[in-house]
Amino acid sequence: NAGVTQTPKFQVLKTGQSMTLQCAQDMNHNSMYWYRQDPGMGLRLIYYSASEGTTDKGEVPNGYNVSRLNKREFSLRLESAAPSQTSVYFCASSTRGGDTEAFFGQGTRLTVV
Amino acid sequence: LAKTTQPISMDSYEGQEVNITCSHNNIATNDYITWYQQFPSQGPRFIIQGYKTKVTNEVASLFIPADRKSSTLSLPRVSLSDTAVYYCLVGDKGLNSGGYQKVTFGIGTKLQVIP
Repeated sequence: NAGVTQTPKFQVLKTGQSMTLQCAQDMNHNSMYWYRQDPGMGLRLIYYSASEGTTDKGEVPNGYNVSRLNKREFSLRLESAAPSQTSVYFCASSTRGGDTEAFFGQGTRLTVV
Repeated sequence: LAKTTQPISMDSYEGQEVNITCSHNNIATNDYITWYQQFPSQGPRFIIQGYKTKVTNEVASLFIPADRKSSTLSLPRVSLSDTAVYYCLVGDKGLNSGGYQKVTFGIGTKLQVIP
């Protein structure tokens, strides 16, 4: 049982490059989330999808786009990466939107130079 | 979600019981209290959740007083492997908010266990 799987685990981008972070869950959860974690800042919500077909902004959505491809997959896209987007990104899923019992992936460590 | 306040950091010696308190003065009637644990370089992991009184599992105990304005996560006899960041969250589990309530985390409490 894989739970929440994120790819890639590490990535280095040059400023202005684009990339997509992939996330898939195999728990048949309705809701999925993308967070970023920076030193001393805790986890901040970027976007979330309460259910398949819906997405909504979190606390720090600027510079990102998301796609809920199907019930299993939720991707995060950086169209033009900036050094300020250097962070660790976590994907999570839960049974329903707002459920505080969420399951997290192992994270993607992104460095933008 | 109700705002939570918890200490930024705590130190404890191995073998001691550790209690981390979280304040949530604006907790709503339908809200549950949830705690997560995050080890370095890993995603947060759900450890315990409760509504009132006391909840215990194989990892921790959660104590919630009658007014529910605070909660205490208790880790019995900590070891070096309990060194982690612990987050307190408050929310209705999506049961009463139409499924669109955002799940937000604060900075958490960094617990350092000392040999």
